[in-house]
Amino acid sequence: QKEVEQNSGPLSVPEGAIASLNCTYSDRGSQSFFWYRQYSGKSPELIMSIYSNGDKEDGRFTAQLNKASQYVSLLIRDSQPSDSATYLCAVNPNNNNDMRFGAGTRLTVKP
Amino acid sequence: KAGVTQTPRYLIKTRGQQVTLSCSPISGHRSVSWYQQTPGQGLQFLFEYFSETQRNKGNFPGRFSGRQFSNSRSEMNVSTLELGDSALYLCASSLGQSQGYTFGSGTRLTVV
Repeated sequence: QKEVEQNSGPLSVPEGAIASLNCTYSDRGSQSFFWYRQYSGKSPELIMSIYSNGDKEDGRFTAQLNKASQYVSLLIRDSQPSDSATYLCAVNPNNNNDMRFGAGTRLTVKP
Repeated sequence: KAGVTQTPRYLIKTRGQQVTLSCSPISGHRSVSWYQQTPGQGLQFLFEYFSETQRNKGNFPGRFSGRQFSNSRSEMNVSTLELGDSALYLCASSLGQSQGYTFGSGTRLTVV
């Protein structure tokens, strides 16, 4: 079982819709969780971090964490074509800064 | 505030050679992590350094090594290069444990 699993996609949504990205992780003791965005040909960029169960909102982005289900998600509201990128879920399994990444979900927002 | 700086941006090496990549973290960031990114395997953790000590290591062979200097700058070395080592090598710095990373632009290594 992979440490961090994501649906590879691609996920395509129309402009203005909600994009929902999901991630599961295997290490039940994980304490910190992150979402990164990677545009083609660029390096990953941190967009959200979450540490406690529940929702965390930042602008059009909402991260959701359910530790009991070992599940993390990212919602992007009012999706824009500029949101088209690969979204990487990352988990810090031992809180030791050896962060593990999922394979990424490629999102396309169509005008 | 300067970001994470990686040099060189591109490298072409021959099988059997060795290569050294450099990373300068954001000022004040003492943790530096290295990742290998390939289309097939995604982002694979290589190692993490903090205050000149390797704290964590991923599942890569001993040909992959690294070090960190007192100014937090880090280098990684790959010896006896193989074709499969062709990848984008990313360095990331952070303030410490449980903090998100800031990535550099990466070094694209091609082994021929």
